[in-house]
Amino acid sequence: DGGITQSPKYLFRKEGQNVTLSCEQNLNHDAMYWYRQDPGQGLRLIYYSQIVNDFQKGDIAEGYSVSREKKESFPLTVTSAQKNPTAFYLCAAGAGVGETQYFGPGTRLLVL
Amino acid sequence: AQTVTQSQPEMSVQEAETVTLSCTYDTSESDYYLFWYKQPPSRQMILVIRQEAYKQQNATENRFSVNFQKAAKSFSLKISDSQLGDAAMYFCAYRSAFVAAGNKLTFGGGTRVLVKP
Repeated sequence: DGGITQSPKYLFRKEGQNVTLSCEQNLNHDAMYWYRQDPGQGLRLIYYSQIVNDFQKGDIAEGYSVSREKKESFPLTVTSAQKNPTAFYLCAAGAGVGETQYFGPGTRLLVL
Repeated sequence: AQTVTQSQPEMSVQEAETVTLSCTYDTSESDYYLFWYKQPPSRQMILVIRQEAYKQQNATENRFSVNFQKAAKSFSLKISDSQLGDAAMYFCAYRSAFVAAGNKLTFGGGTRVLVKP
């Protein structure tokens, strides 16, 4: 079954803790993206990667880090430097220029 | 930088009727793509329709169609014969056609569609 999976569905973070959100795709797409969605708002780009071992900052990268060691995986770490991490996080993958981005089901991050 | 604006926070439509959602965008580029995504209560983002800026013909997908006005930088979505399952948040999104832009999507703030039975 092709698609994008994200885990966990819900994640709780304690103050000062780093947490990692998983994103895996079996669509064989080169490009992957992380977006953040706050209540009642649209999505904002955190980081993106157009190819393995390469990634670029998006519009709101501060307090986040990523890696792209494998084509199918693009994990996002929310570091303790991110002071307001409570949000819904969406991962997407796309084949390239002009191609549609497809989204995973999302991870909801809450701060304890 | 490009911006996308959806001026209608919420729209209500009677089942089987038609509703039109507005979207305007600001860009200095001539080649780009425009999208409408649907986000139901599950929060999964689902592609509804896509439009290439170089195509004059408006895109259509079953009950969904767009009115693309390039000169006016307007990209509205029309939902015909509305169904209860159409109730969701709808987001308009822009993407540059240039490789250097990284295929990033810029989203509007969304329009909530309510469908009355």
